[in-house]
Amino acid sequence: DAGVTQSPTHLIKTRGQQVTLRCSPKSGHDTVSWYQQALGQGPQFIFQYYEEEERQRGNFPDRFSGHQFPNYSSELNVNALLLGDSALYLCASSPTFRASGANVLTFGAGSRLTVL
Amino acid sequence: AQSVSQHNHHVILSEAASLELGCNYSYGGTVNLFWYVQYPGQHLQLLLKYFSGDPLVKGIKGFEAEFIKSKFSFNLRKPSVQWSDTAEYFCAVNAGSNSGYALNFGKGTSLLVTP
Repeated sequence: DAGVTQSPTHLIKTRGQQVTLRCSPKSGHDTVSWYQQALGQGPQFIFQYYEEEERQRGNFPDRFSGHQFPNYSSELNVNALLLGDSALYLCASSPTFRASGANVLTFGAGSRLTVL
Repeated sequence: AQSVSQHNHHVILSEAASLELGCNYSYGGTVNLFWYVQYPGQHLQLLLKYFSGDPLVKGIKGFEAEFIKSKFSFNLRKPSVQWSDTAEYFCAVNAGSNSGYALNFGKGTSLLVTP
């Protein structure tokens, strides 16, 4: 049991549609990060939320947006889906945000998105 | 550009063989270093981490890694692998100092251990 729960586990969308993925962090964690893992690649950082604000963002277009709720859960939204957005989307949580980065992420099992 | 390189994409070993997986990064300054493992059908799990102090760190399941600052490397080792070590291994770097928890991952090394 990862402690981080993600939904849905699998979904199929068509180009141009929008998708929302959800994440509940491990108990006691208040910081949530999202990663995209394309087939055969390592995870790529999308963004990170703490205190309901986006704290840091990777090299992803504005089509990717997120939200964190007061209970620390989070959503990842992707608009105008492209074929290249097909990937495993991973949510990771960690204890209170530290600017030094010296903390450990706990990953969920991911949501596999297929765009047709 | 900052990057993380894992030199071996696919490794096949027999049980009891020794393992070393290479990881190099291109960041300057303070870094936090991690090795994660993804067993078939399972989520990413932390194997070990280096934040500071002794550059030789020990993790779970008999794995260890050595941080060599002069070589910008953080290689993963295990003296004797088991069939259950078959998995995907990812090296990851956090560039410390105001980078929050953003991890930059390598492309991964797929390890197959044969009986």
